[in-house]
Order: sequence, then C-alpha cells, then structure tokens
Amino acid sequence: QKEVEQNSGPLSVPEGAIASLNCTYSDRGSQSFFWYRQYSGKSPELIMFIYSNGDKEDGRFTAQLNKASQYVSLLIRDSQPSDSATYLCAASYGQNFVFGPGTRLSVLP
Amino acid sequence: KAGVTQTPRYLIKTRGQQVTLSCSPISGHRSVSWYQQTPGQGLQFLFEYFSETQRNKGNFPGRFSGRQFSNSRSEMNVSTLELGDSALYLCASSLEFGTGELFFGEGSRLTVL
Repeated sequence: QKEVEQNSGPLSVPEGAIASLNCTYSDRGSQSFFWYRQYSGKSPELIMFIYSNGDKEDGRFTAQLNKASQYVSLLIRDSQPSDSATYLCAASYGQNFVFGPGTRLSVLP
Repeated sequence: KAGVTQTPRYLIKTRGQQVTLSCSPISGHRSVSWYQQTPGQGLQFLFEYFSETQRNKGNFPGRFSGRQFSNSRSEMNVSTLELGDSALYLCASSLEFGTGELFFGEGSRLTVL
C-alpha cells in the first residue's frame, strides 16, 4: 500500500511568518511530488511540483525534496491570511498518483 | 480558456438509486481522472481515462464505473447507491495520462439519503 502522510493540523502561524508543511511517503520508487492548495468549499489547485532532490522556489513558495529521507516539504514565506487553506501533498508512482490527507493551515492576522 | 466543468453540482439521491456525473475537461486535455473526497478518507482515486480507455483504476467496488467519449468528455456512474457514497466527486483533467499536473473541476456533491 503506497501511502503519503501529512500532519492534519491545524497548523497556525502569524501573518508574515514562514509556514512549513511536511509530507512523508512510503515508496522509494516515487518519482515526483506535487503540492495542491484547497480552500474550504473549493477544489484543489496545483501550487508546485518537484522531481529532483533539493529546493525549488516559486515566488513565496519553496518546495523541498529529500528522497533519501522520503520527505517533501512546502515552505510559505511571508504567510498571508489568504494562504489559509488545506495543503495536499501528492506523490506519483509510475502511472499512479496518491494524495495525502492534507494539512490545514491557518494564518492569523 | 474554460476550466473543467462538472455537472450537476449538487444532487440528492436515495439508497439503491443510480447516478451519472459528467465532466468536460479543459480544451486540449486528453486525460480525465475521477476522485472521491470525504472528510474521513480524503481524496481517493477512482479511475483515469485517456483516449476513451480506462488506464488506471482505484480500489473501489464495481458499482463505480466510468467512460470517456471521443471528445474527451467523461462520465462516471454509481449504481445501487449506498449511504457511504455521499461525497464530493471531483473530476480532474490533464494533458497526458499519468501526470500529477491535474486541473480540478468544482466537483459534484452527492448526498445519499
């Protein structure tokens, strides 16, 4: 059973702080990783994806991948109340794709 | 560019009935995936269609089925509805099969009474 695990939260951070969202995966064969954001009552939307070990930056978002530790993270710098949402981590295994349960982030003004 | 369109957005059925949900992908996208989302189970993969063929299937009973048409539009059907089928059903389109770069529709919220 291929699994993707996330702390369900809620993770609360003050406005302007760095929010750190973490994800672990069970299968070393996983090839690529995705972060989706889902606002309450809305559908998920893709924020970032990462394939290689290391960091990938896009604006205020940085995805980090450590394949040796089977660990993926998403950092959100200068967090805003509008970042309050559930963040879903997903991993692909060949042609299969598994979502984690999501971490609920709350950015406090 | 229009996004993924799902219909109906909301529906209420009773146990034992069947339901058909429709999904129109983004123009040019050839793959359509279906997911079930519930508070307890999160996002669960149902199946993925590409070029009118089911390419991948999740761990759901045979009551859940789908198909894809030549214009890439897709439908999913749930027969003999059970209370536990109450969920948000999300359709996602992508350019190619097996990619994690998914674009989701707004979903169809099914309530089974």
